[in-house]
Amino acid sequence: DVKVTQSSRYLVKRTGEKVFLECVQDMDHENMFWYRQDPGLGLRLIYFSYDVKMKEKGDIPEGYSVSREKKERFSLILESASTNQTSMYLCASGAPGGTGELFFGEGSRLTVL
Amino acid sequence: AQSVTQPDIHITVSEGASLELRCNYSYGATPYLFWYVQSPGQGLQLLLKYFSGDTLVQGIKGFEAEFKRSQSSFNLRKPSVHWSDAAEYFCAVGLVLNSGYSTLTFGKGTMLLVSP
Repeated sequence: DVKVTQSSRYLVKRTGEKVFLECVQDMDHENMFWYRQDPGLGLRLIYFSYDVKMKEKGDIPEGYSVSREKKERFSLILESASTNQTSMYLCASGAPGGTGELFFGEGSRLTVL
Repeated sequence: AQSVTQPDIHITVSEGASLELRCNYSYGATPYLFWYVQSPGQGLQLLLKYFSGDTLVQGIKGFEAEFKRSQSSFNLRKPSVHWSDAAEYFCAVGLVLNSGYSTLTFGKGTMLLVSP
């Protein structure tokens, strides 16, 4: 089975702190994604990457950056956390070639005080 | 741009009753369509997917969905709901770009409540 692991399930940070959310997948997938999930808004794509050191902006990239130094690892970075970034963050991976199917981690719930 | 609409925010169904969750999409070409389920505190799990061929798709946990091109719909159904089906359900449409990588656009979700 595909395994997507998000290192932190729950985090509490203060406004202005730098936050790293880590995601690792074990299926050698080229594509990796970060979504943000909020009640009533569903999942919104923040960033995605289709290769090492490659990244593309999603629908809501403002206030976020990403890093992909190795194929299996995709990090989401909040340079200066703000209260409106309190949310559930979901990482996903998928293979190229036409299926579009994504495999999700269990999520990281971030609270910014 | 592709979009997905799930018209029902919440649905309550009695245990043992049938279920239909609605999903409408907007996409120029033949879409890749998905239904995912999310139990409380968990990530998303794939229920079923449609790429091509038979428009009635079977998934896990007794779910099925039917693709209707004329109605731009991909509704999820289950003949008899169990209490363990209480969760949030997301419909998604996949876009595959020429480069070969793909993204999913999700609906806002439908929360299913199951009453005894």
